[in-house]
Formats: sequence, C-alpha cells, structure tokens
Amino acid sequence: AAGVIQSPRHLIKEKRETATLKCYPIPRHDTVYWYQQGPGQDPQFLISFYEKMQSDKGSIPDRFSAQQFSDYHSELNMSSLELGDSALYFCASSLGTGGNTIYFGEGSWLTVV
Amino acid sequence: GIQVEQSPPDLILQEGANSTLRCNFSDSVNNLQWFHQNPWGQLINLFYIPSGTKQNGRLSATTVATERYSLLYISSSQTTDSGVYFCAVEEAGGYNKLIFGAGTRLAVHP
Repeated sequence: AAGVIQSPRHLIKEKRETATLKCYPIPRHDTVYWYQQGPGQDPQFLISFYEKMQSDKGSIPDRFSAQQFSDYHSELNMSSLELGDSALYFCASSLGTGGNTIYFGEGSWLTVV
Repeated sequence: GIQVEQSPPDLILQEGANSTLRCNFSDSVNNLQWFHQNPWGQLINLFYIPSGTKQNGRLSATTVATERYSLLYISSSQTTDSGVYFCAVEEAGGYNKLIFGAGTRLAVHP
C-alpha cells in the first residue's frame, strides 16, 4: 500500500540558509500534519492542513511556513536556519479530521552546520 | 492541553521476556495510537486504539478510555523490538493532531 512520501530524506544546510521539505500524502488523504523531532525528544506538532486550508498550528517558528497544494501535497519552508533547527521532520496524513488513524512518513533529516 | 505520560521511561529486557508499557492521559481522546520508532528513526504504526483491545502477533494493546490509560504488551521480546515506543493521543473536541508522550526506550539483549 502507498505510504506518505517525504523528500529529501537527508539534507545539510548552513546557518541562515533556506530549506524546503516536501510531503506527498497517502492517496485520497486530505489532511497533512508536520512534526519536528529533536535529538532524544518526542515529535512536536508544527502545523496541519485540511483541504488545503491551515487547520491547526503548534510550536512552529515564525521563520517557518507551510502550505498544502491543490494536489494535496504539502511543503514546509524553513528560512534563516539555525543550529537548533537540526532535527527529524515528519509529515503525516489522514483521511478527514478527528478520530482517524494518522500515518507518518519516514521523515527528513535536516542538519544545520 | 492534554498531558500524556508514559512509563517506564527506560526498559532493558533479555530476549524472550514479556513487558508492559503504560500510557496515561489527562483528558478524553478521539484517537490513541502506539508507535515504534526504530533505530533508523522510522515511526511505525502499531495500533490505532482509542478504546478496547487489539492484538497483532506478539503485540497487543488495551485502552480503557473511561480511566484514561492504555497498555502495550510485548510478549517473547526479540532484539528487533528495541527502540522507542510512543503513545500519542488526539484530544476530544475537534482537535485534529496527535500529542506524543515522552516515550519508553526499550533495549532487548540477546
């Protein structure tokens, strides 16, 4: 079965650079979530979209932005990168909102040097 | 917001042993999922279990929603079970995101 696809899987950026992560949800899923997991931490919710509209917002820095496109894929844009942004970024998707199984991608490893 | 507490934080087992991991949550939930994060960072869905009992091979889970806890049972543990086990909940009332507990770090030795 198709899963959540994230790209790139690994990227290395320098401080103050910009990075873009892409997420392709499971076919027919209309809700996308982004999470950030720092070293030794649990995943922290950043932002979610339902039917291309932002549905919830968590601890996402102002330097980060995201959107969901007409084909339901989503992109997380991170600017003015800091060393502390080094983390594993997960995208997840679900069908509808509220009470449905949420499926996670394999994650994108971002290292800021 | 909802609080999620997992115990124990760390667990070391000999191969073949059984274990029980616990997840307590502070409010009503629409969704509860258990995940296994392997050493490569992948989050593997184990169970979607907002209530009731489910089994999948050597793993089973029970959620007692009225008492706000869930249990994950691992029987006949194998070295490949090593990793971090996360419980994550979606708070009832229209919130559509999972809040994770701090996880239980499991090491299974041969």
